[in-house]
Amino acid sequence: NAGVTQTPKFQVLKTGQSMTLQCAQDMNHEYMSWYRQDPGMGLRLIHYSVGAGITDQGEVPNGYNVSRSTTEDFPLRLLSAAPSQTSVYFCASTGQGPNYGYTFGSGTRLTVV
Amino acid sequence: DAKTTQPNSMESNEEEPVHLPCNHSTISGTDYIHWYRQLPSQGPEYVIHGLTSNVNNRMASLAIAEDRKSSTLILHRATLRDAAVYYCILRGLGGANSKLTFGKGITLSVRP
Repeated sequence: NAGVTQTPKFQVLKTGQSMTLQCAQDMNHEYMSWYRQDPGMGLRLIHYSVGAGITDQGEVPNGYNVSRSTTEDFPLRLLSAAPSQTSVYFCASTGQGPNYGYTFGSGTRLTVV
Repeated sequence: DAKTTQPNSMESNEEEPVHLPCNHSTISGTDYIHWYRQLPSQGPEYVIHGLTSNVNNRMASLAIAEDRKSSTLILHRATLRDAAVYYCILRGLGGANSKLTFGKGITLSVRP
């Protein structure tokens, strides 16, 4: 049981480049989320999904797109990378309803130069 | 979103119990109380959750006040590996209410 798998683990981008951070879970979880964590800070919600085909914005959605075509996958797209997007990105998933705990991936460390 | 209030930091001695408090005075009847922790350079890790009754698992215990306006995460014997940031978060019922909103958490230091 792999849980939540994020790829890549590390990435360096140049300003203006685009890329997709991958997130996959094998637990048949309905809910999936993307967070970013800047150095010394807490986690901030970027986008989330309550099921395939349904996504919504979190606290800091600007500069990011998501889609949820399958239950398993929830990719995060950076449209035009900026240095302010340098951060560690975490994907998480959970079952439907509040009586489930979230499972987090190990993170993607992104540097934009 | 219903909010939680936690102290910024706490210190503990190794092998002693640790009680981490959390206030959530605006909790609604359907909000679950969740605790997560984040070890240095790692992603958050689920610890425990509860609704009304006290809960125990292999990692910790969760004591919930009768009025549900506060809760306490109990680590029965702190180890050096328990040094982390602990987050108390309310998770609601359905849709947008079911997302997790992280605060600053409590930074727990464990002295050898």
